Amino acid sequence: DTGVSQNPRHKITKRGQNVTFRCDPISEHNRLYWYRQTLGQGPEFLTYFQNEAQLEKSRLLSDRFSAERPKGSFSTLEIQRTEQGDSAMYLCASSLFVWTTSYNEQFFGPGTRLTVL
Amino acid sequence: DQQVKQNSPSLSVQEGRISILNCDYTNSMFDYFLWYKKYPAEGPTFLISISSIKDKNEDGRFTVFLNKSAKHLSLHIVPSQPGDSAVYFCARENQGGKLIFGQGTELSVKP
Repeated sequence: DTGVSQNPRHKITKRGQNVTFRCDPISEHNRLYWYRQTLGQGPEFLTYFQNEAQLEKSRLLSDRFSAERPKGSFSTLEIQRTEQGDSAMYLCASSLFVWTTSYNEQFFGPGTRLTVL
Repeated sequence: DQQVKQNSPSLSVQEGRISILNCDYTNSMFDYFLWYKKYPAEGPTFLISISSIKDKNEDGRFTVFLNKSAKHLSLHIVPSQPGDSAVYFCARENQGGKLIFGQGTELSVKP
């Protein structure tokens, strides 16, 4: 397994257009997370899945954002009617969550950089 | 609101010396603090974690210290190497495993 992959790596779009990003996690991982990172800031949590169930969404995730993980494997993040403020790096991470006394490490993909003109 | 703050945006250190990166937090409800390292054009990679029941965790050249009374943690890198130059994020793990990140500190290790 080569790790978490994200496609596309870069996306330039015009304001008002819809965009969709894809994340392929490490194959045996049951949890998948989406984060957004803007310049000079750390990643901000958007949403996460356990298998195909979306368990939590951040208040940052407006109704223009939707995420799916239909078969508990890959995930898509769609942004409708993009705005310039949506320009950011969108990061996906996955982990094998088990109830344990140690930290369940999240493995990050390289991200998709979105530019909204 | 469960904040994590890194107040130093950058740090420059000479090769072979110690690098100390700092992080402050509010709200004491957590299980783990983590440090992640990020190179340009790559996603963050996990470096080291510390549980709330400990005050120190060591892994090779990297040691994390947790001062619960001061709500402060620090990452020590000894000795620093040029390959350590990267952006370092501290983060706390919340319910569900989601991570709350600080703003990051860019470390530059000069030969």
